[in-house]
Amino acid sequence: SQKIEQNSEALNIQEGKTATLTCNYTNYSPAYLQWYRQDPGRGPVFLLLIRENEKEKRKERLKVTFDTTLKQSLFHITASQPADSATYLCAGGADGLTFGKGTHLIIQP
Amino acid sequence: DTAVSQTPKYLVTQMGNDKSIKCEQNLGHDTMYWYKQDSKKFLKIMFSYNNKELIINETVPNRFSPKSPDKAHLNLHINSLELGDSAVYFCASSLTWTSGPYNEQFFGPGTRLTVL
Repeated sequence: SQKIEQNSEALNIQEGKTATLTCNYTNYSPAYLQWYRQDPGRGPVFLLLIRENEKEKRKERLKVTFDTTLKQSLFHITASQPADSATYLCAGGADGLTFGKGTHLIIQP
Repeated sequence: DTAVSQTPKYLVTQMGNDKSIKCEQNLGHDTMYWYKQDSKKFLKIMFSYNNKELIINETVPNRFSPKSPDKAHLNLHINSLELGDSAVYFCASSLTWTSGPYNEQFFGPGTRLTVL
Protein backbone atom coordinates (compact mmCIF):
# COMPACT_ATOMS: atom_id res chain seq x y z
CA SER A 1 0.00 0.00 0.00
CA GLN A 2 1.14 3.55 -0.61
CA LYS A 3 2.94 5.12 2.32
CA ILE A 4 4.00 8.57 3.37
CA GLU A 5 6.72 8.44 5.97
CA GLN A 6 8.22 11.19 8.06
CA ASN A 7 11.08 9.54 9.83
CA SER A 8 11.81 12.12 12.49
CA GLU A 9 9.24 12.32 15.22
CA ALA A 10 10.97 15.31 16.77
CA LEU A 11 13.63 17.75 15.72
CA ASN A 12 15.38 20.34 17.90
CA ILE A 13 17.00 23.25 16.10
CA GLN A 14 18.77 26.34 17.39
CA GLU A 15 17.10 29.63 16.51
CA GLY A 16 18.49 31.16 13.35
CA LYS A 17 19.55 27.83 11.84
CA THR A 18 17.85 26.06 8.95
CA ALA A 19 15.46 23.28 9.88
CA THR A 20 15.16 20.45 7.36
CA LEU A 21 12.33 17.93 7.56
CA THR A 22 12.06 14.78 5.44
CA CYS A 23 9.09 13.07 3.81
CA ASN A 24 9.54 9.77 1.98
CA TYR A 25 6.93 8.00 -0.11
CA THR A 26 6.76 4.35 -1.12
CA ASN A 27 4.71 2.10 -3.39
CA TYR A 28 3.41 4.84 -5.64
CA SER A 29 4.46 7.88 -7.65
CA PRO A 30 2.77 11.03 -6.41
CA ALA A 31 1.73 13.76 -8.77
CA TYR A 32 2.28 16.18 -5.92
CA LEU A 33 3.01 16.48 -2.23
CA GLN A 34 1.69 18.98 0.27
CA TRP A 35 3.08 20.30 3.54
CA TYR A 36 0.95 21.44 6.46
CA ARG A 37 1.65 22.98 9.84
CA GLN A 38 -0.28 21.92 12.92
CA ASP A 39 -0.18 23.74 16.23
CA PRO A 40 -1.40 22.08 19.47
CA GLY A 41 -5.18 22.02 19.69
CA ARG A 42 -5.67 23.28 16.14
CA GLY A 43 -6.32 21.89 12.71
CA PRO A 44 -3.55 21.59 10.11
CA VAL A 45 -2.84 24.67 8.01
CA PHE A 46 -1.69 24.36 4.41
CA LEU A 47 1.79 25.70 3.67
CA LEU A 48 3.07 24.55 0.30
CA LEU A 49 2.29 22.18 -2.55
CA ILE A 50 4.94 20.87 -4.94
CA ARG A 51 4.23 19.01 -8.16
CA GLU A 52 6.29 16.12 -9.46
CA ASN A 53 7.69 18.21 -12.30
CA GLU A 54 8.83 20.96 -9.91
CA LYS A 55 12.14 20.48 -8.22
CA GLU A 56 11.74 23.32 -5.76
CA LYS A 57 9.09 25.68 -4.41
CA ARG A 58 9.57 28.66 -2.14
CA LYS A 59 7.40 30.82 0.07
CA GLU A 60 9.10 33.42 2.22
CA ARG A 61 11.42 31.45 4.56
CA LEU A 62 10.01 28.09 3.47
CA LYS A 63 11.39 25.89 0.73
CA VAL A 64 10.22 22.50 -0.45
CA THR A 65 12.04 20.15 -2.80
CA PHE A 66 10.82 17.06 -4.62
CA ASP A 67 13.25 14.33 -5.65
CA THR A 68 11.51 11.59 -7.63
CA THR A 69 14.72 9.54 -7.76
CA LEU A 70 15.06 9.42 -4.01
CA LYS A 71 11.25 9.36 -3.58
CA GLN A 72 11.57 12.15 -1.13
CA SER A 73 10.49 15.69 -0.34
CA LEU A 74 12.49 17.98 1.90
CA PHE A 75 10.94 20.91 3.75
CA HIS A 76 13.28 23.68 4.85
CA ILE A 77 12.71 26.62 7.17
CA THR A 78 15.54 29.12 6.96
CA ALA A 79 16.40 31.59 9.74
CA SER A 80 14.20 29.56 12.06
CA GLN A 81 12.36 31.27 14.90
CA PRO A 82 10.74 29.93 18.10
CA ALA A 83 7.37 30.77 16.49
CA ASP A 84 8.11 28.12 13.86
CA SER A 85 7.83 25.44 16.54
CA ALA A 86 4.96 23.16 15.55
CA THR A 87 4.24 19.78 14.00
CA TYR A 88 4.76 19.66 10.26
CA LEU A 89 2.81 17.15 8.20
CA CYS A 90 3.51 15.84 4.72
CA ALA A 91 0.52 14.72 2.65
CA GLY A 92 0.36 12.74 -0.55
CA GLY A 93 -1.12 9.55 -1.88
CA ALA A 94 -2.97 9.00 -5.11
CA ASP A 95 -5.81 11.15 -3.80
CA GLY A 96 -3.61 13.51 -1.78
CA LEU A 97 -5.25 12.45 1.43
CA THR A 98 -2.57 10.26 3.01
CA PHE A 99 -0.73 12.07 5.77
CA GLY A 100 2.56 11.23 7.36
CA LYS A 101 2.77 11.04 11.13
CA GLY A 102 4.39 14.46 11.30
CA THR A 103 7.61 15.87 12.66
CA HIS A 104 7.46 17.90 15.85
CA LEU A 105 9.85 20.80 15.32
CA ILE A 106 11.19 22.71 18.30
CA ILE A 107 13.17 25.88 17.71
CA GLN A 108 15.19 26.75 20.76
CA PRO A 109 16.06 30.40 21.51
CA ASP B 1 -15.63 34.88 9.00
CA THR B 2 -14.63 31.37 10.07
CA ALA B 3 -13.83 29.24 7.04
CA VAL B 4 -14.48 25.74 8.39
CA SER B 5 -16.31 25.41 11.68
CA GLN B 6 -17.15 22.36 13.76
CA THR B 7 -19.46 21.83 16.70
CA PRO B 8 -19.00 20.85 19.39
CA LYS B 9 -15.34 21.48 20.14
CA TYR B 10 -15.38 19.00 23.00
CA LEU B 11 -17.60 15.97 23.41
CA VAL B 12 -17.49 13.71 26.46
CA THR B 13 -19.86 10.77 26.49
CA GLN B 14 -20.41 7.28 27.78
CA MET B 15 -19.75 4.08 25.90
CA GLY B 16 -22.76 2.91 23.95
CA ASN B 17 -24.17 6.38 23.32
CA ASP B 18 -24.88 7.90 19.91
CA LYS B 19 -23.45 11.31 19.06
CA SER B 20 -23.12 13.68 16.14
CA ILE B 21 -20.51 16.22 15.09
CA LYS B 22 -21.43 19.01 12.70
CA CYS B 23 -19.26 20.77 10.16
CA GLU B 24 -19.90 23.81 8.00
CA GLN B 25 -17.73 25.62 5.48
CA ASN B 26 -18.37 29.08 4.04
CA LEU B 27 -15.66 28.90 1.36
CA GLY B 28 -17.94 27.75 -1.44
CA HIS B 29 -15.95 24.54 -1.78
CA ASP B 30 -17.35 21.44 -3.45
CA THR B 31 -15.50 18.83 -1.41
CA MET B 32 -15.54 18.07 2.30
CA TYR B 33 -13.74 15.50 4.41
CA TRP B 34 -13.70 13.85 7.81
CA TYR B 35 -10.39 12.84 9.37
CA LYS B 36 -9.61 11.08 12.63
CA GLN B 37 -6.46 12.01 14.57
CA ASP B 38 -5.59 9.47 17.21
CA SER B 39 -3.57 9.85 20.39
CA LYS B 40 -0.36 9.40 18.41
CA LYS B 41 -1.37 12.37 16.26
CA PHE B 42 -1.77 10.24 13.14
CA LEU B 43 -4.27 11.91 10.81
CA LYS B 44 -6.33 9.42 8.83
CA ILE B 45 -8.97 10.07 6.18
CA MET B 46 -12.38 8.59 6.93
CA PHE B 47 -14.82 10.00 4.38
CA SER B 48 -15.03 12.50 1.59
CA TYR B 49 -18.03 14.06 -0.11
CA ASN B 50 -18.08 15.99 -3.35
CA ASN B 51 -21.22 18.00 -4.04
CA LYS B 52 -23.13 15.94 -1.48
CA GLU B 53 -22.01 12.63 -2.97
CA LEU B 54 -19.84 10.17 -1.08
CA ILE B 55 -16.60 9.66 -2.98
CA ILE B 56 -14.27 8.22 -0.35
CA ASN B 57 -15.27 5.71 2.26
CA GLU B 58 -12.23 4.29 3.97
CA THR B 59 -12.27 1.21 6.15
CA VAL B 60 -14.30 2.66 8.98
CA PRO B 61 -16.76 0.79 11.22
CA ASN B 62 -20.28 1.18 9.92
CA ARG B 63 -21.17 2.75 13.26
CA PHE B 64 -19.83 5.92 11.62
CA SER B 65 -22.22 7.49 9.15
CA PRO B 66 -21.55 10.75 7.37
CA LYS B 67 -24.33 12.91 5.98
CA SER B 68 -24.13 15.89 3.68
CA PRO B 69 -27.41 17.81 3.51
CA ASP B 70 -25.80 20.34 1.14
CA LYS B 71 -22.31 20.99 -0.11
CA ALA B 72 -21.56 23.44 2.70
CA HIS B 73 -22.32 20.94 5.46
CA LEU B 74 -20.97 17.55 6.37
CA ASN B 75 -22.04 15.86 9.58
CA LEU B 76 -20.70 12.76 11.25
CA HIS B 77 -22.96 10.52 13.29
CA ILE B 78 -21.47 7.81 15.47
CA ASN B 79 -23.59 5.01 16.92
CA SER B 80 -22.77 2.82 19.90
CA LEU B 81 -19.64 4.70 20.85
CA GLU B 82 -16.63 2.67 21.95
CA LEU B 83 -13.53 3.58 23.96
CA GLY B 84 -11.41 3.34 20.82
CA ASP B 85 -13.43 6.08 19.18
CA SER B 86 -11.79 8.62 21.48
CA ALA B 87 -9.81 10.93 19.23
CA VAL B 88 -9.87 14.35 17.61
CA TYR B 89 -12.08 14.50 14.54
CA PHE B 90 -11.29 17.09 11.91
CA CYS B 91 -13.48 18.31 9.16
CA ALA B 92 -11.84 19.81 6.08
CA SER B 93 -12.84 21.20 2.73
CA SER B 94 -11.18 21.80 -0.62
CA LEU B 95 -12.17 23.64 -3.74
CA THR B 96 -13.17 20.65 -5.78
CA TRP B 97 -12.43 17.01 -6.28
CA THR B 98 -10.01 15.97 -8.93
CA SER B 99 -8.38 12.60 -9.34
CA GLY B 100 -5.09 14.41 -9.56
CA PRO B 101 -4.00 17.61 -7.86
CA TYR B 102 -4.03 20.31 -6.72
CA ASN B 103 -6.28 21.38 -3.98
CA GLU B 104 -5.15 22.51 -0.59
CA GLN B 105 -7.39 21.50 2.25
CA PHE B 106 -8.79 23.87 4.83
CA PHE B 107 -9.25 22.24 8.20
CA GLY B 108 -11.67 23.00 10.99
CA PRO B 109 -10.53 23.39 14.60
CA GLY B 110 -11.34 19.79 15.47
CA THR B 111 -13.72 18.05 17.86
CA ARG B 112 -12.13 16.22 20.75
CA LEU B 113 -14.27 13.18 21.49
CA THR B 114 -13.73 11.36 24.77
CA VAL B 115 -15.60 8.13 25.37
CA LEU B 116 -15.72 7.01 28.99
